[in-house]
Amino acid sequence: GQQLNQSPQSMFIQEGEDVSMNCTSSSIFNTWLWYKQDPGEGPVLLIALYKAGELTSNGRLTAQFGTTRKDSFLNISASIPSDVGIYFCAGQGASGTYKYIFGTGTRLKVLA
Amino acid sequence: DAGVTQSPTHLIKTRGQHVTLRCSPISGHKSVSWYQQVLGQGPQFIFQYYEKEERGRGNFPDRFSARQFPNYSSELNVNALLLGDSALYLCASSLGRLNTGELFFGEGSRLTVL
Repeated sequence: GQQLNQSPQSMFIQEGEDVSMNCTSSSIFNTWLWYKQDPGEGPVLLIALYKAGELTSNGRLTAQFGTTRKDSFLNISASIPSDVGIYFCAGQGASGTYKYIFGTGTRLKVLA
Repeated sequence: DAGVTQSPTHLIKTRGQHVTLRCSPISGHKSVSWYQQVLGQGPQFIFQYYEKEERGRGNFPDRFSARQFPNYSSELNVNALLLGDSALYLCASSLGRLNTGELFFGEGSRLTVL
C-alpha cells in the first residue's frame, strides 16, 4: 500500500540530544499528523498541523508543516529514555478524501 | 474520559475463518476509521464511516466489510481469512465533520491467522 517516506528509518541518540526527522510526499497534503507508537500499543497523537508553514509545539516536541505542502518535520529537544518508540507521520490530501496516508516510521532509540 | 476502546485485544484464527472486530469511539465523535498495520509498517487505511455512512474505502478486497451503528460504534468484518491478514487492526475516532480531522487510535486488535 501507499506510504510516505520518512527519514531517518532509525536512529540511536544519547540522552539529552536533539532529534530531527522528516516526512516527504509526492502529493500535496492539507493536514499532517505526527504519532508515537510503543510496542503492542496503538499510535498516540502528538501534534496536528493544518496550514502550510505552521509551526506547532507540544512540550519538547515541535513540528512544522512544510511550505511546499509536500513535507513535514518533527523535532524532539533534550531527548529522554521514554522518547524511545516509533514515530509516524500521516498526511491527508485534498478535501473529499478522508483517509490518512502514513509514513514508514522512524524508530528512535535513546541511550542513557 | 474513555478513549477509543477495541475488542478483542488478541485473537487467533485459522485460514478460511471469519472475524469480527469491534470499536467504540470517543464520546462525541461521530466518525470511525479502520486501519490495518502489518508488522514493521505504518497503518493502511481500510474504511471510514461517518454518521453510519461509508465515506471512504481503501484498497482492500471485498472480504473486508464494516458498519457503524446508531451509537457510533463500529464493527470490522473479515471473511475467508488468509495468512496475510495477520496484523494489528486499529480503530480511530474523530469528530469528522467537514473532513476527518485529528485521528485518535485505540490499542488495536492483534489478529493472528494460522
